[in-house]
Amino acid sequence: AQTIHQWPVAEIKAVGSPLSLGCTIKGKSSPNLYWYWQATGGTLQQLFYSITVGQVESVVQLNLSASRPKDDQFILSTEKLLLSHSGFYLCAWSLRGDAEQFFGPGTRLTVL
Amino acid sequence: GQQVQQSPASLVLQEGENAELQCNFSTSLNSMQWFYQRPGGSLVSLFYNPSGTKHSGRLTSTTVIKERRSSLHISSSQTTDSGTYLCALCGGGSNAKLTFGKGTKLSVKS
Repeated sequence: AQTIHQWPVAEIKAVGSPLSLGCTIKGKSSPNLYWYWQATGGTLQQLFYSITVGQVESVVQLNLSASRPKDDQFILSTEKLLLSHSGFYLCAWSLRGDAEQFFGPGTRLTVL
Repeated sequence: GQQVQQSPASLVLQEGENAELQCNFSTSLNSMQWFYQRPGGSLVSLFYNPSGTKHSGRLTSTTVIKERRSSLHISSSQTTDSGTYLCALCGGGSNAKLTFGKGTKLSVKS
């Protein structure tokens, strides 16, 4: 069975500090991977997607970056957090582009 | 404009009543997913329904591509059904972006 794990569960960070959020998928080889973000009270939107290791495409510019260092790992990061980065971050995977997407438990980020 | 519109924005029911949640989309559809969003934010996948009708317990999802709509029907609602329901459209393409609606907030009272 496939499992998707996100870390940390929650973070409270200062404006201007760095950030790294992680996502790991087990039990599935070469999945498509996605990062989504939801501001408090806002609509979920896709930030990044990756079809293969080492290849990441940006969908929305939010002064964030993403990397896929391993087949089963997806990292979201920034060197300088903004207040506007606060929200809920979700990682997801699918077998292919038009297939069902499966979501992780998410990370709640609060930037103060 | 917004590609995915959900209605109603909120809905209050008495326990036992049925609910019909709508999702209308203005772009081409490759697939449609319905989710329940927990208060903490995590998503519970309810249906992956590119077209036609699917059933799961008291839930039914119907997607009609040519009418550009999808619906989620909840029969015999229970207080535990309370929460936010999201629909998400996948237009396909290399990014397989799910475009989410703003959600329907359902409250079921006993």
